[in-house]
Amino acid sequence: QVQLVQSGAEVKKPGASVKVSCKASGYTFTAYYIHWVRQAPGQGLEWMGWINPDSGGTNYAQNFQGRVTMTRDTSITTVYMELSGLRSDDTAVYYCTRGENTGRKAYWGQGILVTVSS
Amino acid sequence: DIVMTQSPDSLAVSLGERATINCKSSQSVLSSSNNKNYLAWYQQKPGQPPRLLIYWASTRESGVPDRFSGSGSGTDFTLTISSLQAEDVAVYYCQQSYRTPETFGQGTKLEI
Repeated sequence: QVQLVQSGAEVKKPGASVKVSCKASGYTFTAYYIHWVRQAPGQGLEWMGWINPDSGGTNYAQNFQGRVTMTRDTSITTVYMELSGLRSDDTAVYYCTRGENTGRKAYWGQGILVTVSS
Repeated sequence: DIVMTQSPDSLAVSLGERATINCKSSQSVLSSSNNKNYLAWYQQKPGQPPRLLIYWASTRESGVPDRFSGSGSGTDFTLTISSLQAEDVAVYYCQQSYRTPETFGQGTKLEI
């Protein structure tokens, strides 16, 4: 069965960087893009971008350009999302999700709470 | 960017009654190449990731009860729950994936 398992919660200071992971299993890793979506406490969903695990190509939302880097390691079917220059308003749950050409996103990771606090 | 606007922001419906949530996009999300609307609906309960209900505006995801249905085309879409059950209490989001950045509506909180 398809699974996306994310790494554990993180606490970071303002200005630091965080790198979180999303391990995929149960399907051909290189066949589907992985998207990242975040949700601040009590707020809605915000799309951050995607990575093509086959080519490594990326597409980032303008809001995160210059601060976000998505990478992958095909040998361990894992995708990473690194966010730099952390601010308090980056405190959020970060989700990875498998995207399809239909727009369908049926599989999500459990989410990672990243807390930015001095 | 395509702006997604949901209405209402919150909704209270009696058990067994119909619930209707609307979603309007600032631009059409209908693809002329395949005549599909790139509009999905998600349900989110506290502490859980979003759950896909509907994609392509009206295609129900496998395992989703048939009381959930989606309709609409172009810029105006609707999610309907035909007979509300207690387990349907959640926040519902629409999302367009026609253009990047993909964008979500602000969410609609559904209560009994």
